[in-house]
Amino acid sequence: AQKITQTQPGMFVQEKEAVTLDCTYDTSDQSYGLFWYKQPSSGEMIFLIYQGSYDEQNATEGRYSLNFQKARKSANLVISASQLGDSAMYFCAMTVYSSASKIIFGSGTRLSIRP
Amino acid sequence: DGGITQSPKYLFRKEGQNVTLSCEQNLNHDAMYWYRQDPGQGLRLIYYSQIVNDFQKGDIAEGYSVSREKKESFPLTVTSAQKNPTAFYLCASSPTGVRTDTQYFGPGTRLTVL
Repeated sequence: AQKITQTQPGMFVQEKEAVTLDCTYDTSDQSYGLFWYKQPSSGEMIFLIYQGSYDEQNATEGRYSLNFQKARKSANLVISASQLGDSAMYFCAMTVYSSASKIIFGSGTRLSIRP
Repeated sequence: DGGITQSPKYLFRKEGQNVTLSCEQNLNHDAMYWYRQDPGQGLRLIYYSQIVNDFQKGDIAEGYSVSREKKESFPLTVTSAQKNPTAFYLCASSPTGVRTDTQYFGPGTRLTVL
């Protein structure tokens, strides 16, 4: 069975520092996709970044990068130069090619940025 | 502006009543999804639809029903058979419904059953 594990329920980081949010996944499939979403207090889920299992380069989107270590089955999100507006819940998620069209979500990490 | 709208933002219902949550998208996406989120938890898939007039059960479909009569609309009905319906409901869509598609979410509806 597929599973996403986020072991950090909450984190506090000083503004302008970089932060790494951990995510490990479990699947026996060779083909899969990994996603990170941000959920502010308003509730909307905002797509941040995507990494395919066959992508050789780590995905980057502005201040977000995904540290993809396939052998360790980890897909950590790195936010550089954190801002106050980065305070939110962050969810790691995965789709697998052999399953029905659905995303499996982790339990999330609440990130709080201190001024 | 293209996007996904959900209405209402907050919904209150008495126990035993059916209630329908609206989800509309003008992104011309083929696939649409409904998720449930409980406090402090991730999202769980209720139903999804990859094409008009077709939909599939997700992980927690019991007590819910959907329809997909139009491409842009995917309403979710929470029936009286759903034992614990109070939750935050999120609708999403993706361009084609293939497994690597990015899903884009609406603002959500917070349902409280009194």
